[in-house]
Amino acid sequence: AQTVTQSQPEMSVQEAETVTLSCTYDTSESDYYLFWYKQPPSRQMILVIRQEAYKQQNATENRFSVNFQKAAKSFSLKISDSQLGDAAMYFCAYGGNDMRFGAGTRLTVKP
Amino acid sequence: NAGVTQTPKFQVLKTGQSMTLQCAQDMNHEYMSWYRQDPGMGLRLIHYSVGAGITDQGEVPNGYNVSRSTTEDFPLRLLSAAPSQTSVYFCASSYVEGDSPLHFGNGTRLTVT
Repeated sequence: AQTVTQSQPEMSVQEAETVTLSCTYDTSESDYYLFWYKQPPSRQMILVIRQEAYKQQNATENRFSVNFQKAAKSFSLKISDSQLGDAAMYFCAYGGNDMRFGAGTRLTVKP
Repeated sequence: NAGVTQTPKFQVLKTGQSMTLQCAQDMNHEYMSWYRQDPGMGLRLIHYSVGAGITDQGEVPNGYNVSRSTTEDFPLRLLSAAPSQTSVYFCASSYVEGDSPLHFGNGTRLTVT
């Protein structure tokens, strides 16, 4: 089964600065999808960004972008111009019949 | 558009009791799944379904049963609750497994004493 690893349990960033959250995964498949989800204190799970493995171009959604390194099986999330509302748990996920999640990274944004 | 609706939001059970967590979606999604969230462990897949009448086990299926009699509903049953099942439970759905993002319910916080 695929595994997803987030090696940073907690991260902190100053408001308006940039932070990168790390994610690695293990798979033997060549075509797959990767996701980042955000979970604010409200507990709601919110999709942040999606990456298709067959696309070499890194996905971008406004201030959120990914660095997808297929050979290294790495999928990091960069948040630019961090805002107080970005404070949340962030989960990396590998898409498949049974979508697998990492353990999460808690992001704190300091004013 | 209600999306994915989970009930109840909170539940306290005694060891050995049974209960059903309800999940319904109104987006005509074929794929539905149940996760549990525990501190430091992320979301772990309990069971999933790729369509009515089809279910399969995830990472942590023991102690849980599911059925999928309709496209809309995917209830999760705890037959004999144990303290180890204290967790937050999420139901999620999507159009097609794997490549579509999941739509999540708001979660159920379950405490087993």
